[in-house]
Amino acid sequence: NAGVTQTPKFQVLKTGQSMTLQCAQDMNHEYMSWYRQDPGMGLRLIHYSVGAGITDQGEVPNGYNVSRSTTEDFPLRLLSAAPSQTSVYFCASSQRGTMGYTFGSGTRLTVV
Amino acid sequence: AQSVTQLDSQVPVFEEAPVELRCNYSSSVSVYLFWYVQYPNQGLQLLLKYLSGSTLVKGINGFEAEFNKSQTSFHLRKPSVHISDTAEYFCAVSDVTGGSYIPTFGRGTSLIVHP
Repeated sequence: NAGVTQTPKFQVLKTGQSMTLQCAQDMNHEYMSWYRQDPGMGLRLIHYSVGAGITDQGEVPNGYNVSRSTTEDFPLRLLSAAPSQTSVYFCASSQRGTMGYTFGSGTRLTVV
Repeated sequence: AQSVTQLDSQVPVFEEAPVELRCNYSSSVSVYLFWYVQYPNQGLQLLLKYLSGSTLVKGINGFEAEFNKSQTSFHLRKPSVHISDTAEYFCAVSDVTGGSYIPTFGRGTSLIVHP
């Protein structure tokens, strides 16, 4: 099925561990973004990319890294997990943003 | 910088009643405006968008929204809601002139439809 695929769906990490959240889209979209969703906070932008090889920081980038080596993939790396990073993470993609974003189903991350 | 304010965190309504979810934005430049819906344990889905032209835009599931530039608002409406409309609704704005089109989201409005 066409769309945005996120893996894993659920993850529990211990404080200090690192991990990578995977995101892939098969719609040849140029724009990809990572958001975190916390209760009462809406969606906050972590990092985004406007094309392969181009990334930039969003509103809450600290503690996260991204890279965009291909159009299809946009992984999010947690360098050293902290309890404050417990959240639901969404990856989204768009063709230049004018058509709105297609969202993945999310990764629910708990850091203990 | 752009920002979005969703004026109500929760809107309870009875089935078949009309509903309006309010959204105001702040931006010094031209914008694109969007409404998304999120059902429990799912990602967001695009309901409708305003890019240019007619200020009244129609979306999926019978929703519509009106862009009001003078009031910097983009309120979402539905004339008759169903139980299945119970969900979280997010308003979003993108800066057109900046070229990045990265949307900023509001904090969301929880629509609760009672039988």
